[in-house]
Amino acid sequence: AQSVAQPEDQVNVAEGNPLTVKCTYSVSGNPYLFWYVQYPNRGLQFLLKYITGDNLVKGSYGFEAEFNKSQTSFHLKKPSALVSDSALYFCAVKTGANNLFFGTGTRLTVIP
Amino acid sequence: EAGVTQFPSHSVIEKGQTVTLRCDPISGHDNLYWYRRVMGKEIKFLLHFVKESKQDESGMPNNRFLAERTGGTYSTLKVQPAELEDSGVYFCASSQALGASYEQYFGPGTRLTVT
Repeated sequence: AQSVAQPEDQVNVAEGNPLTVKCTYSVSGNPYLFWYVQYPNRGLQFLLKYITGDNLVKGSYGFEAEFNKSQTSFHLKKPSALVSDSALYFCAVKTGANNLFFGTGTRLTVIP
Repeated sequence: EAGVTQFPSHSVIEKGQTVTLRCDPISGHDNLYWYRRVMGKEIKFLLHFVKESKQDESGMPNNRFLAERTGGTYSTLKVQPAELEDSGVYFCASSQALGASYEQYFGPGTRLTVT
C-alpha cells in the first residue's frame, strides 16, 4: 500500500533563508513523486515531479526536490525563500495506479 | 487555455440535504479525477473517469456518493443525503493521458460544509 508522510504541519523560515519541506514515502514498486502547492483560495498547482533519471529535479518558482531512494524521501527545497512562497505544500506519490496518494500537507510561512 | 473549473466554490447545507458539485476539466482531457480533503487530513482519491467510464471508484466512501460524467465532458458528484462527516474540500483534476509522466491539473475545489 502506498503512503506519504509530511512530518511537519508547519514550517517557518525567514525571507532569504533556504527552505526545506520534508516528505517520505512508502510504496511497493517504483515511485513517481510529485509536489503540489496551494495558495490561498486557489487550487493545487503542480510544482515538480520525479519519474526517473537525475535524483535532483527542478520545478517552478525556483523550487527543487531531491529523490533519495535509500531514505525513501523526496524533500522540497529552495535556496532563498520569498514571502510569496507562503502556502500549503503537498507531496504525492503514485505507482501503477493513476491516482495520487497525498500527504497531509505542510504550511510554509516565510517571515519578512 | 482554461484550467479546471469547479462549481460552486462553497456550499453550506444541512444534514440530510442533497448537494451536487460540478467539475469542468481542461478541454481534451479524457481523464478526470475527484479527490477530497477533510480538514487537516490528507487529500484522498475518490474516483477516476476515462471519458464517460468509471476507471476506478475504489475511493468512494459509500453509496451516498454518486459521480457521473455523461458525454465524457464535465462531471458531477452528488452527495445524497449529506452527513456531517462529508464536510471538506472536494477537488477535481484532469490529465491529458494516463501514465506517470502526465501530471494532473487541479481545480480550485468546492468547500462543502454540512451542518
